[in-house]
Amino acid sequence: KAGVTQTPRYLIKTRGQQVTLSCSPISGHRSVSWYQQTPGQGLQFLFEYFSETQRNKGNFPGRFSGRQFSNSRSEMNVSTLELGDSALYLCASSTLTGLETQYFGPGTRLLVL
Amino acid sequence: KNQVEQSPQSLIILEGKNCTLQCNYTVSPFSNLRWYKQDTGRGPVSLTIMTFSENTKSNGRYTATLDADTKQSSLHITASQLSDSASYICVVSRADTDKLIFGTGTRLQVFP
Repeated sequence: KAGVTQTPRYLIKTRGQQVTLSCSPISGHRSVSWYQQTPGQGLQFLFEYFSETQRNKGNFPGRFSGRQFSNSRSEMNVSTLELGDSALYLCASSTLTGLETQYFGPGTRLLVL
Repeated sequence: KNQVEQSPQSLIILEGKNCTLQCNYTVSPFSNLRWYKQDTGRGPVSLTIMTFSENTKSNGRYTATLDADTKQSSLHITASQLSDSASYICVVSRADTDKLIFGTGTRLQVFP
């Protein structure tokens, strides 16, 4: 069974631009969560989607948004990029929410110049 | 405030030795606690998940313990291997929102 895939793996943008990251969960998984990881803050939860609905949201500004499609694939969008948005963005999928094991993708490393 | 604190921040041990990583949390209401291993440049991989009623859970050479009364957990690694070099992240889930609160991790380096 294929794992969680994320595209692109690396991305360089400049301040003010916007970016869209993609995540394909493991087949059969309906929950997709997004995380931001930086050396100083560690992993921080962005949001979770389940069956195309946002179920949970972290404490990030409205510039960060996401969506999930009917095939469970998910996208995350960041508008008006700031230098501080440089981070590793991780996507994780699971069959349900709660106690289920989350499987993480390799992440997209975003650098904002 | 819901927090997860891990110690030590970093640890260096010799191959074959045992080590224990600590996780203290103040998250409430508590649902479950997870330990993840994250190799450099890769996404985290789940090691264990424990609920309130579980005191210990093993996954090969990894053994996690949970004391829900003192809100402490530990991850014990037995007979360490070079491949154990990674960051180990403790994550606590809130029972009311299912939100996951992450610790900042312990960076373990195993030397031959």
